Amino acid sequence: QKEVEQDPGPLSVPEGAIVSLNCTYSNSAFQYFMWYRQYSRKGPELLMYTYSSGNKEDGRFTAQVDKSSKYISLFIRDSQPSDSATYLCAMTRNTNAGKSTFGDGTTLTVKP
Amino acid sequence: NAGVTQTPKFRILKIGQSMTLQCTQDMNHNYMYWYRQDPGMGLKLIYYSVGAGITDKGEVPNGYNVSRSTTEDFPLRLELAAPSQTSVYFCAIATREGAGGITDTQYFGPGTRLTVL
Repeated sequence: QKEVEQDPGPLSVPEGAIVSLNCTYSNSAFQYFMWYRQYSRKGPELLMYTYSSGNKEDGRFTAQVDKSSKYISLFIRDSQPSDSATYLCAMTRNTNAGKSTFGDGTTLTVKP
Repeated sequence: NAGVTQTPKFRILKIGQSMTLQCTQDMNHNYMYWYRQDPGMGLKLIYYSVGAGITDKGEVPNGYNVSRSTTEDFPLRLELAAPSQTSVYFCAIATREGAGGITDTQYFGPGTRLTVL
């Protein structure tokens, strides 16, 4: 069983829709949670990171962490065609040389 | 991808050939990583380094070697290339952010697309 499972997608939504991207994890030692966005043929770029349970908002993006359920989500409001990309969740343990465990990614397409 | 440079961008190798993928950073971060990403898959850690002179294996180290003689450079060596090593290779650096400076978020280079035929 993988330590991090990500909803596989692909996901296709109309412009303006609310998007929910989700990951579950099995290791309770994970303390830091990141979301990366990867455009086609590019390297992943950090979108958001969170530490504690709860919500963190940045513009149209909201990262949600529920440590009791071992579940994290990324919500995108008013989705735009420019949001079309693969989204990767990642998690790290404290003092683990920064090594992250990544989900396999969810590919999102936002149609105009 | 500012701060992390990878060369070459593309490469085609024949089975059994060897090559070195270069990774250079100009941000003076101690932590550096090599990942491979196969089509439709996530990132798998090959090797990582917590500082000059210190390297350690990740999840999929077989067939690869690394060295870290300086803070800036972290080359990945492929010996006896095999078709299974066809992938996109990403180098990443980590910086500490967050409360107490105790979390590490990673910044990636643009990648090297390698095909082994």
